[in-house]
Amino acid sequence: AQKITQTQPGMFVQEKEAVTLDCTYDTSDQSYGLFWYKQPSSGEMIFLIYQGSYDEQNATEGRYSLNFQKARKSANLVISASQLGDSAMYFCAMRESRNQAGTALIFGKGTTLSVSS
Amino acid sequence: DTAVSQTPKYLVTQMGNDKSIKCEQNLGHDTMYWYKQDSKKFLKIMFSYNNKELIINETVPNRFSPKSPDKAHLNLHINSLELGDSAVYFCASSQDFGSSYEQYFGPGTRLTVT
Repeated sequence: AQKITQTQPGMFVQEKEAVTLDCTYDTSDQSYGLFWYKQPSSGEMIFLIYQGSYDEQNATEGRYSLNFQKARKSANLVISASQLGDSAMYFCAMRESRNQAGTALIFGKGTTLSVSS
Repeated sequence: DTAVSQTPKYLVTQMGNDKSIKCEQNLGHDTMYWYKQDSKKFLKIMFSYNNKELIINETVPNRFSPKSPDKAHLNLHINSLELGDSAVYFCASSQDFGSSYEQYFGPGTRLTVT
């Protein structure tokens, strides 16, 4: 079965520093997609970044980049120049085929990031 | 403009009651989902609809019944509510069920069963 593992329950970083949130995955599929979502204390789920398994380049979106190491099955999120507003829970997710017709996201347990001034 | 909306945002009810949560998306997406986030913040798929057709039905008690009147709406009805149903329920949509496109989430409905 496919699985997402986030081993860091909490991470602490100072403003303006970079931080890496770890994510490893397990799948036997050749084609898959990896996502990161942010959930602030207000509760909404905000899409951050996507990486396809066949993408040769690491995905980047502004201050977010995804360090994709396919052989290691890791998809770490790197946030550069942390801001106070980055304090939130971060979820790594993978698109999983549930049957011939449908896919859904499976999520890791999340990492709580706290940014201090 | 709200992309994926849910009503109500908060729902407090007693055990044994029946309640519904409504979801609407104005993104023109074909696929909609219901996810449940438990008290430990773990998110899990419950159902998925593509063009009003149920395509994913996880191991969810049959007290939960989704309904999609059209591809822009996906409602969740829960019968005989139990304490363990307390959670945040998220509706989401995506361009299609097999795509690489991200899923857009609604704001969530926090259900509390007393």
